[in-house]
Amino acid sequence: DAGVTQSPTHLIKTRGQQVTLRCSPKSGHDTVSWYQQALGQGPQFIFQYYEEEERQRGNFPDRFSGHQFPNYSSELNVNALLLGDSALYLCASSFGVRGGYTFGSGTRLTVV
Amino acid sequence: QQQVKQSPQSLIVQKGGISIINCAYENTAFDYFPWYQQFPGKGPALLIAIRPDVSEKKEGRFTISFNKSAKQFSLHIMDSQPGDSATYFCAASDHGGETSGSRLTFGEGTQLTVNP
Repeated sequence: DAGVTQSPTHLIKTRGQQVTLRCSPKSGHDTVSWYQQALGQGPQFIFQYYEEEERQRGNFPDRFSGHQFPNYSSELNVNALLLGDSALYLCASSFGVRGGYTFGSGTRLTVV
Repeated sequence: QQQVKQSPQSLIVQKGGISIINCAYENTAFDYFPWYQQFPGKGPALLIAIRPDVSEKKEGRFTISFNKSAKQFSLHIMDSQPGDSATYFCAASDHGGETSGSRLTFGEGTQLTVNP
């Protein structure tokens, strides 16, 4: 049974560019949440998607946007990348918005 | 504003010893308190979680102690092993609904090293 799958695992982007990260939830899960984890810090909540709608959003600028597809997979888009966006981006899936979360291994984004 | 404070930042324990990590929260709406273990290059993995209607929960070598009045909770790792060396995060979540959603608020993490 596959867990949460994230792609790509690593990528390097130039400041000002745009990036799209992808997440496939664990089988049976219908809710996807995204977190940003800077080096040496705890994950910070970006937003949560359920039934293809953004249900809750953390303190992140509008440059961060997302989408959930009918098959429950999700994308995180970041526009106008800043050096400070360099981090590990984690996707977590659950059954329902309050279910136990399963995290993927993350996408390591480096902005140069 | 950080809503979950975790201590210590780092902890070194001898094999067989007890590791204790503490967290304190401010938001009284929190009603779910999980602990996660994270190895380098991996995402956090759920270890154990507790809801505020109980004061203690034990699963194997891992125990959560919860003090609702003090708004504190802690993780105890008994008989610590070198394989337990990892970063541990406490977290908290409120009673979100299908419409409003929910989120985990994490502490800043504790790097645990268990020496053989």
